[in-house]
Amino acid sequence: EAGVTQFPSHSVIEKGQTVTLRCDPISGHDNLYWYRRVMGKEIKFLLHFVKESKQDESGMPNNRFLAERTGGTYSTLKVQPAELEDSGVYFCASSRQGSEDTQYFGPGTRLTVL
Amino acid sequence: TQLLEQSPQFLSIQEGENLTVYCNSSSVFSSLQWYRQEPGEGPVLLVTVVTGGEVKKLKRLTFQFGDARKDSSLHITAAQPGDTGLYLCAGYKAAGNKLTFGGGTRVLVKP
Repeated sequence: EAGVTQFPSHSVIEKGQTVTLRCDPISGHDNLYWYRRVMGKEIKFLLHFVKESKQDESGMPNNRFLAERTGGTYSTLKVQPAELEDSGVYFCASSRQGSEDTQYFGPGTRLTVL
Repeated sequence: TQLLEQSPQFLSIQEGENLTVYCNSSSVFSSLQWYRQEPGEGPVLLVTVVTGGEVKKLKRLTFQFGDARKDSSLHITAAQPGDTGLYLCAGYKAAGNKLTFGGGTRVLVKP
């Protein structure tokens, strides 16, 4: 069974540009989560999808961040326009069920905004 | 202010020594999870503790959940270089269906 995959692994962009991160969850996992680790800080929750619906987006920093999961399969996280403080590692995780089912993490996308 | 405080932030020991990592909070969690993260990879779940006072063992790793379900510890016996990595604790609250992570403890075991 393939694990959670994320693309790209690294992205370097300039302030003001747009970047789109992609996450492919484990097949059959209805729950998809986005997390972010900013340098020197702990990993923080961004949002949670159940299939194509946003269940909880309380962790999204501001309206420059847009997450979608059309069709309930892969998800994208777009940052537009990117700011310096958006730099960090963005992790995606998926789980089969909600509740306390194990979340499997992808390798992350390292975003650097110059 | 972090909801989950991990200590120490960094630990360097010699092979064969023991170590303990702590994860403390003022909040009650329905469960607490320990992860290990290698460079370039995402966190990988080691164990989940659910019941207050619970102790779980995974080979040389012993995990304990506090009676009040607010804190936890990870103890490694006779550490080996292969134990080197970033250890993360994460609390789960059923109401939010999301994980709250500690800042992590970077462990270095020297041969």
